[in-house]
Amino acid sequence: KAGVTQTPRYLIKTRGQQVTLSCSPISGHRSVSWYQQTPGQGLQFLFEYFSETQRNKGNFPGRFSGRQFSNSRSEMNVSTLELGDSALYLCASSLEASDNTGELFFGEGSRLTVL
Amino acid sequence: DQQVKQNSPSLSVQEGRISILNCDYTNSMFDYFLWYKKYPAEGPTFLISISSIKDKNEDGRFTVFLNKSAKHLSLHIVPSQPGDSAVYFCAANLAGYALNFGKGTSLLVTP
Repeated sequence: KAGVTQTPRYLIKTRGQQVTLSCSPISGHRSVSWYQQTPGQGLQFLFEYFSETQRNKGNFPGRFSGRQFSNSRSEMNVSTLELGDSALYLCASSLEASDNTGELFFGEGSRLTVL
Repeated sequence: DQQVKQNSPSLSVQEGRISILNCDYTNSMFDYFLWYKKYPAEGPTFLISISSIKDKNEDGRFTVFLNKSAKHLSLHIVPSQPGDSAVYFCAANLAGYALNFGKGTSLLVTP
């Protein structure tokens, strides 16, 4: 059974640009969550989607957005990139939405560097 | 506002000894607690969890202890092995909300 797939794995952008990251969840999983990992800050929650609807949103500015498609694949977009957006962006999937025991299956992440 | 706290950024333990990773939380409504392990260049992987109605859960070399009155949980690894060297994240779940992670503790197990 294939795991969570994230593309691209690495990318470099410059300030002011925008970026789109993609996530394909484990087959059959309907919930997709996005997290940002930066040194010293751990995993910070961005948003969660279930059945194409955003269920939860973290404390990030409106430059961060996402969506989920009918096949459960998800994308997140960051516009007007800032240096501080450099991070590892992790996607995680689960069978159901966030009212389960909390177990998530993570992808390997997309490493974004903003110059 | 950090609801899950891992106050030790790093820990070094000799192979064969016990590793104890600690985690504190502030929200008494959390109903599940989880530990994730992360190697460099990989995503976190689920390690072990415990329900808020239990005080201990064991899985092989890994045991998680929960002290609800102190709002504290710990992960014990016995015996520690060099392959256990990784970053360990504590997480807490509240039904209907996103999983809440700590900042992680980097464990180094030396031969």
